[in-house]
Amino acid sequence: DVKVTQSSRYLVKRTGEKVFLECVQDMDHENMFWYRQDPGLGLRLIYFSYDVKMKEKGDIPEGYSVSREKKERFSLILESASTNQTSMYLCASSKFPEKLFFGSGTQLSVL
Amino acid sequence: KQEVTQIPAALSVPEGENLVLNCSFTDSAIYNLQWFRQDPGKGLTSLLLIQSSQREQTSGRLNASLDKSSGRSTLYIAASQPGDSATYLCAVRGSSGSARQLTFGSGTQLTVLP
Repeated sequence: DVKVTQSSRYLVKRTGEKVFLECVQDMDHENMFWYRQDPGLGLRLIYFSYDVKMKEKGDIPEGYSVSREKKERFSLILESASTNQTSMYLCASSKFPEKLFFGSGTQLSVL
Repeated sequence: KQEVTQIPAALSVPEGENLVLNCSFTDSAIYNLQWFRQDPGKGLTSLLLIQSSQREQTSGRLNASLDKSSGRSTLYIAASQPGDSATYLCAVRGSSGSARQLTFGSGTQLTVLP
């Protein structure tokens, strides 16, 4: 089975800190995604990547950046964390354009 | 723009009952549709994926159907168990197959009472 691993289940950060969320998949998938999930708003796509060093903005990229230096790893960076970035962050991967596999999520709290 | 709706938002049934969860979408030009399960505070687990050319997919007690022309998919759960309690989401991928065209529904929260 595909394994998508997110580095932290829970994270607490201060406003203004730079935050790194890491995601690793073990199935050689080309596509990797970062979503955030908020009550009442559902899942919203932040960024996705369809190859190493390739990235594309999703619906809500403001305040975020990403890095994909290796095929198996996709990092989400909050340049200067703000309280409105408190959320559940979900990483996913897929082989184009098939099943999406998700990690277990990172609950980020920004104080 | 594709819109995906799941009604009802919440459903409560007694153990052993067969049930149907609904997913409707506004643009029938889709590539595939995927059903997920999400437990509280966890990520999404893929259940079934139906390609646009298929009518249904089965896995154990789960059966998903797709009617593109009417913009509907259903997830049938047979002989429900308390362990089936979770939120079920559907996601539709647009006809180009692009990741940009993945649209999620807001989910149906299922509770199976022992």
